[in-house]
Amino acid sequence: DVKVTQSSRYLVKRTGEKVFLECVQDMDHENMFWYRQDPGLGLRLIYFSYDVKMKEKGDIPEGYSVSREKKERFSLILESASTNQTSMYLCASSFVPGQNYGYTFGSGTRLTVV
Amino acid sequence: EDQVTQSPEALRLQEGESSSLNCSYTVSGLRGLFWYRQDPGKGPEFLFTLYSAGEEKEKERLKATLTKKESFLHITAPKPEDSATYLCAVQAKGDYKLSFGAGTTVTVRA
Repeated sequence: DVKVTQSSRYLVKRTGEKVFLECVQDMDHENMFWYRQDPGLGLRLIYFSYDVKMKEKGDIPEGYSVSREKKERFSLILESASTNQTSMYLCASSFVPGQNYGYTFGSGTRLTVV
Repeated sequence: EDQVTQSPEALRLQEGESSSLNCSYTVSGLRGLFWYRQDPGKGPEFLFTLYSAGEEKEKERLKATLTKKESFLHITAPKPEDSATYLCAVQAKGDYKLSFGAGTTVTVRA
């Protein structure tokens, strides 16, 4: 089974801190994605990457950046954390071109910014 | 822009009481429609992919159907373990990403 591992299940950070969320997948997937999930809003795409060192903005990239130095690892960076970035963050990966299973998701990181 | 709307937001069922969840979508050329199940505090888990109108997929008590504008997830004789949030997502042709609906939270009481 493909595994997508997010380094932390719960994080509490202070306003203004630089925050790193790490995601690793073990099946040589091309694509990796970062979403945030908020009640009533569903999953919203922050950034995605279709290859090493390649990145594309999603629907809500403001306040975030990403890094993909190796194929298996995709990091989400909150440059200066703010309380409105308190959310559940979900990492996912997928294989190109076969999309018959869509994404494989990690377990999520619940981030609280105080 | 791709749009996905799920209804109802929440559904409370008695064990054995069958029901359906709706997913309405607009997309510029559908590559696939996906259903996921999400348990509290966990990431979504893949259930089905549907590619074209008229297609149906089944897994245990779940059956997903697809038309040109919407998809239904039918839950037949649900059990308490079917309680979860069910997410619908679409992928446009030529696109990498999925666009998700807000989900339907299903609670099945014994």
